This record gives sequence, structure tokens and C-alpha cells, in this order.
Amino acid sequence: GQNIDQPTEMTATEGAIVQINCTYQTSGFNGLFWYQQHAGEAPTFLSYNVLDGLEEKGRFSSFLSRSKGYSYLLLKELQMKDSASYLCAVRRNQAGTALIFGKGTTLSVSS
Amino acid sequence: KAGVTQTPRYLIKTRGQQVTLSCSPISGHRSVSWYQQTPGQGLQFLFEYFSETQRNKGNFPGRFSGRQFSNSRSEMNVSTLELGDSALYLCASSLAGGGASGVQQFFGPGTRLTVL
Repeated sequence: GQNIDQPTEMTATEGAIVQINCTYQTSGFNGLFWYQQHAGEAPTFLSYNVLDGLEEKGRFSSFLSRSKGYSYLLLKELQMKDSASYLCAVRRNQAGTALIFGKGTTLSVSS
Repeated sequence: KAGVTQTPRYLIKTRGQQVTLSCSPISGHRSVSWYQQTPGQGLQFLFEYFSETQRNKGNFPGRFSGRQFSNSRSEMNVSTLELGDSALYLCASSLAGGGASGVQQFFGPGTRLTVL
């Protein structure tokens, strides 16, 4: 079966650093995505990892370990606007772009 | 470049009816995927279309179907609606080429379906 696990909720304060973990067990792996979704809006792309290691993009970084079936999203210098749901998703098949999503982590950033 | 558009944005139907949702991908994108989003289950993959052919399919009953036209626009249909079909239906398009930019999916705003 397909299983993607991430914490349901997290809280943090402005300026802090937060790490959102994602573990996956899927039949097939061709990359892992992180998306951000604000309430009432469509998901927007944050990062993509297909090889082991860290990908950095501004305040956001994403890490992947394929042997451990593990990824994390690191958010630095948190801002109030970072309050959103963060979705971890796995692309299973090389032929296709369809994604299997975790249930998402709701991050609340307070001042 | 215009984003992914979905119509209608909101829809109210009753049990037993059928519904058709429409998705226009970003110009040049050849792959369209459909997802159902509910508070309890999160985002669940329905199906993916590429060059008018269904390329991948999720674990949904046969009441859920879709198609893609030669201009890459896609429709999904749900027949014999049930209360549990109430959800946000999201469409996503991608270039379907190589590399990160080829597989990245861009989501539309969704269609909020309520079944009474």
C-alpha cells in the first residue's frame, strides 16, 4: 500500500526555525514534493527532491533520504504569512506526474 | 501566462445526480491530474490524463471518470452522487517533460462540490 506520514499540526513563533518531517512507504519512488496550501487556496509548489541530500531555496530547504524513506522541510526566519498547511507528496511512477499526498501539516505561526 | 482554470468554482447537487467539472491547463502543459480534497482524507489522486489518454488512476469507484481533449482541456464526471462526494476537486497541470520543471504540478483554484 501507499503510506505517507507527517505530523498533523505544529506551532512556532515568528523568527524561529521549524522542521516538518515526512516519512513514506510507497510502491515506487520518482521524487518527493513539498507544497504549501493557505486556507481556501490552491496548493503551490515549494520544493522537489529526487536525489538524496539538501535542496535550499531562500528561507525554505528540503532534505531527502531515499534509503530511510524520509524527508523534511525546514523553514527559517518564520513569518506570520507562513501559517499554512504543508503537504508532502511522492511521485510514484516514472511515466506520469501523478502525486500521492500525505494528509498535510498545519503550521501556525504566532507573534 | 494564465494559470490553471476550473469551472464552475462552486456547485450544489443532490444525491443521485451527476456532475461534470472542467479544467483548462496552463498553455503548453500536456498532463492534467485530478485530485479530491476532504478534511479527513486530505488530497487524494483520482486520475491523470496525457495526450487524451488516462495514464494513471487512483483508487476511486467507477462513478468517477474523466477525459482529455486534443487541446489538453480536461473534464471529470461523477455519476450517482453520494453525500461523501462533497469535497474540493482540484485539477493540476504539468509540462510532463523531463527534469524538475517537467514534473512540477500547478494547481487550479478547485471546484467546491456540495452534495445534499
